[in-house]
Amino acid sequence: QVQLQESGPGLVKPSETLSLTCTVSGGSISNFYWSWIRQPPGKGLEWIAYIYYSGNTNYNPSLQSRATISVETSKNQFSLRLNSVTAADTAVYYCARDAFRSSHLDFWGQGILVTVSS
Amino acid sequence: EIVLTQSPGTLSLSPGERATLSCRASQSVSYLAWYQQKPGQAPRLLIHGTFSRATGIPDRFSGSGSGTDFTLTISRLEPEDFAVYHCQQYGNSFRTFGQGTQVEIK
Repeated sequence: QVQLQESGPGLVKPSETLSLTCTVSGGSISNFYWSWIRQPPGKGLEWIAYIYYSGNTNYNPSLQSRATISVETSKNQFSLRLNSVTAADTAVYYCARDAFRSSHLDFWGQGILVTVSS
Repeated sequence: EIVLTQSPGTLSLSPGERATLSCRASQSVSYLAWYQQKPGQAPRLLIHGTFSRATGIPDRFSGSGSGTDFTLTISRLEPEDFAVYHCQQYGNSFRTFGQGTQVEIK
């Protein structure tokens, strides 16, 4: 059974960069697409970006200018950086596996709450 | 961007009743998925490809629809089914989600 675990700071200051890592266990990161999704408190889900294990990426146009997704296959990890954060970026951030490219998401991490505040 | 509108926002039902949740798209979509989310937990995949149940999902959950109108039906609500349900489209443009429908105990 594939398991995903997000890690990173729970508090980020406005204008700084949010950095999160997702560690995949119980399976290889190879041959799959991997996504980041977020959910502001009390709101719906928003897909941020995906990456293929080979490094191909795709972003939500609304976040493309600020987001960077990367992969480190040797560690079975992928990461998200979101720069110039504001309070509107406060959310639970989830990492998840795409069943296939840009499709449904079949395995999810438990999520990590990131608060943007000074 | 394809906008998904879920209705109703909240559905108040009793265990054993039938739940019908709607997801309407702003333009035609290729595929729809449904997720269940309980408080403090990640979403769990229920339905993919509009109709197909994910592994381990009981057959009281079913998906239907095409084009712009889709439905998730829970034939008989069990106590563990009271949660928030999200729809998600894929196959057209980038993935988007609906805002969710909460199914609460009446």
